[in-house]
Amino acid sequence: AQSVTQLGSHVSVSEGALVLLRCNYSSSVPPYLFWYVQYPNQGLQLLLKYTTGATLVKGINGFEAEFKKSETSFHLTKPSAHMSDAAEYFCAVAQGWGKLIFGQGTELSVKP
Amino acid sequence: GAGVSQSPSNKVTEKGKDVELRCDPISGHTALYWYRQSLGQGLEFLIYFQGNSAPDKSGLPSDRFSAERTGGSVSTLTIQRTQQEDSAVYLCASSLEYSGSNEQFFGPGTRLTVL
Repeated sequence: AQSVTQLGSHVSVSEGALVLLRCNYSSSVPPYLFWYVQYPNQGLQLLLKYTTGATLVKGINGFEAEFKKSETSFHLTKPSAHMSDAAEYFCAVAQGWGKLIFGQGTELSVKP
Repeated sequence: GAGVSQSPSNKVTEKGKDVELRCDPISGHTALYWYRQSLGQGLEFLIYFQGNSAPDKSGLPSDRFSAERTGGSVSTLTIQRTQQEDSAVYLCASSLEYSGSNEQFFGPGTRLTVL
């Protein structure tokens, strides 16, 4: 069965600094991987996904993630944090034909 | 077009009462999912529907939970004899079809509080 581990339940960065949110997965088959963002009192919004092909995936709002099979990782990065990036971020792997298995989430705080 | 909508946005109920939560998926989406988000358990899959196929109920935590999808569109999640541990945000999502690579579009959720 697939599983997802997000390292760090809370990450704090200064505005303009690099954002790095870590995600490791466990899967016995080639995984489909996702990053979702959740703003307060809202549903989840897709940031980016990896299915096949290029291992560096670019998403919305300047985020990107790299699929590294050898490290079973799918870390999310953004070169320069903005105050509006403060939210909770979830990494997920698709199990079977579509149900998502989520990590525990990482709350990102951005300091001015 | 319109996104996934859920109603009510908030529901407060007393322990032992039954509740119904509604989800309207994006028009044309054949796959529909229910998830639960709680402080202790994070985001958990509950159930999915794909077209006219039998639903995957493998994530339902007990037989007090049930769901149906009428006419391949609107879905209702029912919790009978609610318990305090049922307090959570219930999220609905839909996608074009049931496929691991497809994006799931999430609704804003229903926050359920059981007193």
